[in-house]
Amino acid sequence: EPEVTQTPSHQVTQMGQEVILRCVPISNHLYFYWYRQILGQKVEFLVSFYNNEISEKSEIFDDQFSVERPDGSNFTLKIRSTKLEDSAMYFCASRSTMGYGYTFGSGTRLTVV
Amino acid sequence: KQEVTQIPAALSVPEGENLVLNCSFTDSAIYNLQWFRQDPGKGLTSLLLIQSSQREQTSGRLNASLDKSSGRSTLYIAASQPGDSATYLCAVREGGKLIFGQGTELSVKP
Repeated sequence: EPEVTQTPSHQVTQMGQEVILRCVPISNHLYFYWYRQILGQKVEFLVSFYNNEISEKSEIFDDQFSVERPDGSNFTLKIRSTKLEDSAMYFCASRSTMGYGYTFGSGTRLTVV
Repeated sequence: KQEVTQIPAALSVPEGENLVLNCSFTDSAIYNLQWFRQDPGKGLTSLLLIQSSQREQTSGRLNASLDKSSGRSTLYIAASQPGDSATYLCAVREGGKLIFGQGTELSVKP
């Protein structure tokens, strides 16, 4: 069964450093997403990406965040200057155009120290 | 603003019991509703997807229902097993994004 692959599984970074979280969505999917889950809280929407541009973003997704699809397979989330409160599990997801559900990756646990 | 609530927050049952998890949402203008399973520290595994025009979906021992007009969905798990222990999340699709409930943490005791 096709999978969404995320790397790394766990990243520890110092406050103020830049991090890039990587995702390989399912190959024939066209919609891509990032969500995050702070420990003990709900899964929250960050951003959706379609046709090489952001289609929607939440209030959380401020100027410190950016997304990119640098080639035909990867989808990245960059946090420019990490804060302690950015510590969370970050999930990538993708969806086809056929009205099917979302497929999520296994997540990257980001710890900012 | 869409709000998704799941009751109960936690549930502990003996193996073999049938159980029902509840999900409610405040705005009935949803595209679909999806149930996920999350094991501790892991990703989200999709269990069932119900389109807004459907009333229920079944997969093995799982059955999910949707009553859009009343803003409710239930996930029924038959003959529960210890391997079913996990957090179960429901999420409604509004526009292009999912809005999640806080989950029900299920523990099935042998």
